[in-house]
Amino acid sequence: EAGVVQSPRYKIIEKKQPVAFWCNPISGHNTLYWYLQNLGQGPELLIRYENEEAVDDSQLPKDRFSAERLKGVDSTLKIQPAELGDSAVYLCASSFGMRTSGTIYEQYFGPGTRLTVT
Amino acid sequence: AQSVTQLDSQVPVFEEAPVELRCNYSSSVSVYLFWYVQYPNQGLQLLLKYLSGSTLVKGINGFEAEFNKSQTSFHLRKPSVHISDTAEYFCAVINAGGTSYGKLTFGQGTILTVHP
Repeated sequence: EAGVVQSPRYKIIEKKQPVAFWCNPISGHNTLYWYLQNLGQGPELLIRYENEEAVDDSQLPKDRFSAERLKGVDSTLKIQPAELGDSAVYLCASSFGMRTSGTIYEQYFGPGTRLTVT
Repeated sequence: AQSVTQLDSQVPVFEEAPVELRCNYSSSVSVYLFWYVQYPNQGLQLLLKYLSGSTLVKGINGFEAEFNKSQTSFHLRKPSVHISDTAEYFCAVINAGGTSYGKLTFGQGTILTVHP
């Protein structure tokens, strides 16, 4: 079974440029998460989707970050414009849904995209 | 809101020695607990989880953890480590109720380095 797929794995851009990350979750997982992991820190949730709906985006800096999951499968996270402080690893994870079932399911993580802003 | 504290940022140990990585949490509601491992340039892999039942949980690669509700701890242990266990380990909690239901919160991570 294929795991969570993310691309690109590495990205180097200059500040003020836009950047986008793509994630394809495990087949059958209707919940998708984007996390930010700064160097030496644990991941922090940016946004959680259940199907197409963003059910928790309270930690997403909406002035420059946006995300979409139009068909309830793959997702794109965008930063425009990028700042030096955005250099980090962006992780995508997926799981079975919990909001409708009320059950907590394990999250499976992708390898991440390492962003360097110069 | 819940929080997780990993008490050691780095743990050096010799091969075949036992190891314990410490984790404490705080939450106003019941929680589920997890340990993840992250190898360099890779994503997080689940080692083990506590949802309910026996407080001693066994995971992959010979790791185990014990949930202690009174001390709000979930320490990770392995009786004999290998060089290949060198990685960063994250403790995480999910609220089983309340307004943060389902939100996974991670600790800061512990870097385990196994020396020959």
